[in-house]
Amino acid sequence: NAGVMQNPRHLVRRRGQEARLRCSPMKGHSHVYWYRQLPEEGLKFMVYLQKENIIDESGMPKERFSAEFPKEGPSILRIQQVVRGDSAAYFCASSPQGTGYGEQYFGPGTRLTVT
Amino acid sequence: AQSVTQLGSHVSVSEGALVLLRCNYSSSVPPYLFWYVQYPNQGLQLLLKYTTGATLVKGINGFEAEFKKSETSFHLTKPSAHMSDAAEYFCAVSVTGANSKLTFGKGITLSVRP
Repeated sequence: NAGVMQNPRHLVRRRGQEARLRCSPMKGHSHVYWYRQLPEEGLKFMVYLQKENIIDESGMPKERFSAEFPKEGPSILRIQQVVRGDSAAYFCASSPQGTGYGEQYFGPGTRLTVT
Repeated sequence: AQSVTQLGSHVSVSEGALVLLRCNYSSSVPPYLFWYVQYPNQGLQLLLKYTTGATLVKGINGFEAEFKKSETSFHLTKPSAHMSDAAEYFCAVSVTGANSKLTFGKGITLSVRP
């Protein structure tokens, strides 16, 4: 059973460009979470999605950030008009169940660098 | 809302020595508690978790943690450190009904001296 897949692993964007981060959950998992890790900080929750639904986006910045998890294909975290402060590691996690004790399986992350 | 405090950002031990990484949490409802380990440039790997039942939980690689409700703590221990334990360790909390999102502490970097 393959683990959570994320691509690209490293992404470099100039200020003002768009960044698209992809996450394929583990087989059989229909719940996806996105977290951001800034330097010297722990992971911060961004958004929780199920297939075709955003369940909780309380951690998403109000502007420029969006996420989706379509019926087919990977979950996408999209950052428009990136700024230097968006440079971080973005981790995706998946779970076979949304509520409950919350055990999540993490991908290797996408490291975004904005120049 | 939940929160996690991991005091100190760096712990250094000698190989073979006891490892103790501290974690305190805040939650108004019964929490679920987790320890994750992160090796450089990698994702997070679950070490162990407390959900309900036995308060002393054992995880992978010889680690264990004890849930102490009265102290709101969930400290991680290992009797004898190994060089391969050098990594960053994160304590996290979730609660039922909160969509299972994890709230993480800032992490502790563990160094192991030969």
